[in-house]
Amino acid sequence: SAVISQKPSRDICQRGTSLTIQCQVDSQVTMMFWYRQQPGQSLTLIATANQGSEATYESGFVIDKFPISRPNLTFSTLTVSNMSPEDSSIYLCSVDQGGAGETQYFGPGTRLLVL
Amino acid sequence: DQQVKQNSPSLSVQEGRISILNCDYTNSMFDYFLWYKKYPAEGPTFLISISSIKDKNEDGRFTVFLNKSAKHLSLHIVPSQPGDSAVYFCAASEDNYGQNFVFGPGTRLSVLP
Repeated sequence: SAVISQKPSRDICQRGTSLTIQCQVDSQVTMMFWYRQQPGQSLTLIATANQGSEATYESGFVIDKFPISRPNLTFSTLTVSNMSPEDSSIYLCSVDQGGAGETQYFGPGTRLLVL
Repeated sequence: DQQVKQNSPSLSVQEGRISILNCDYTNSMFDYFLWYKKYPAEGPTFLISISSIKDKNEDGRFTVFLNKSAKHLSLHIVPSQPGDSAVYFCAASEDNYGQNFVFGPGTRLSVLP
């Protein structure tokens, strides 16, 4: 299994500012994912972050809005840029150790409220 | 347009009884399905999976049934326990490589003592 921690666990931010969310894993993993869960909606994949390459973004998400860093095999950051109230959501980091959903582990999430 | 639907946002069941959580999907290319359980302030954790070559998979108190022709799957929990109270997400993928899962909105299960 993998133990994943995220910082901050929650934050309240002003419109127009940016927030960087950190994700730390207790083991080396190749694939890390960032998800968003907006209020009352399902988990939506934002991007896949592999170490040593550019993140791959899903339809509807762009690098300028959600820049991602993956400096090593145990760490990643997601920045939510120029925030608006619509960005209020839970952001979850996830890793996949075996290439199948059964070995996909999620962090506890970062609850973001944008005023 | 939601490809994975969980039409019941919440469900309450008495302890010891059966809990049945339903999930419908629209993409006929989905081939692999999972259920995740999520407690408050924690990330989702994997519960059980099923691939399209099967119509049933059982793991202890948890059984998942798949009806491909109806594009429907369900999770049965028997007997239900108070510790099962959580949000349950159905997820589907076109493959079992685990990279492109589409999640449903979740069903909040409350098991009453």
